[in-house]
Amino acid sequence: DAGVIQSPRHEVTEMGQEVTLRCKPISGHDYLFWYRQTMMRGLELLIYFNNNVPIDDSGMPEDRFSAKMPNASFSTLKIQPSEPRDSAVYFCASSLSPVPWLFFGEGSRLTVL
Amino acid sequence: AQTVTQSQPEMSVQEAETVTLSCTYDTSENNYYLFWYKQPPSRQMILVIRQEAYKQQNATENRFSVNFQKAAKSFSLKISDSQLGDTAMYFCAFMRWGAQKLVFGQGTRLTINP
Repeated sequence: DAGVIQSPRHEVTEMGQEVTLRCKPISGHDYLFWYRQTMMRGLELLIYFNNNVPIDDSGMPEDRFSAKMPNASFSTLKIQPSEPRDSAVYFCASSLSPVPWLFFGEGSRLTVL
Repeated sequence: AQTVTQSQPEMSVQEAETVTLSCTYDTSENNYYLFWYKQPPSRQMILVIRQEAYKQQNATENRFSVNFQKAAKSFSLKISDSQLGDTAMYFCAFMRWGAQKLVFGQGTRLTINP
């Protein structure tokens, strides 16, 4: 069974450009999470969905960030416009409630120049 | 809100030695889960071990075991017979019962030297 699939694995872009990160959760999982990892702040939860509905987006840093989950097998995290401080590794994870176990993708490393 | 604290930013031991990573957490909840995740240089987040707060018995997974002290809100990870492949960042994490989301500590960078 395939794990959580994220794309792209690496992204280098220039300040001001739009960035879209993609995630395919494990089939059948009902929760999807977006985390951001930086040296300074560690692993932060940005937003999570349950059955495609956003439950908590309090971790989204500002209006430049948006996330969608149009169906059970796909989610996007968009940054528009991007800034150098957005440089980080972005992880997607999924889980099947009530099992308390998150499966993580390999992460997308974003570099904004 | 729950917080997780890992007080050791870096640790280094020789191969085959035993090493203990510390983690404390703060919560008013009675039912919850605690986890240790490993992140090797490949960046993949790998679940190492999980502990349910209602269980008094400490979880073990092969060379990995935990010392769970609920009253002290402490959850340390012991790695026995350490191997070069154990070199990684280790994250302690907390999940409130029924919440499904993880709160992570800052991580401990562990290096196993040959």
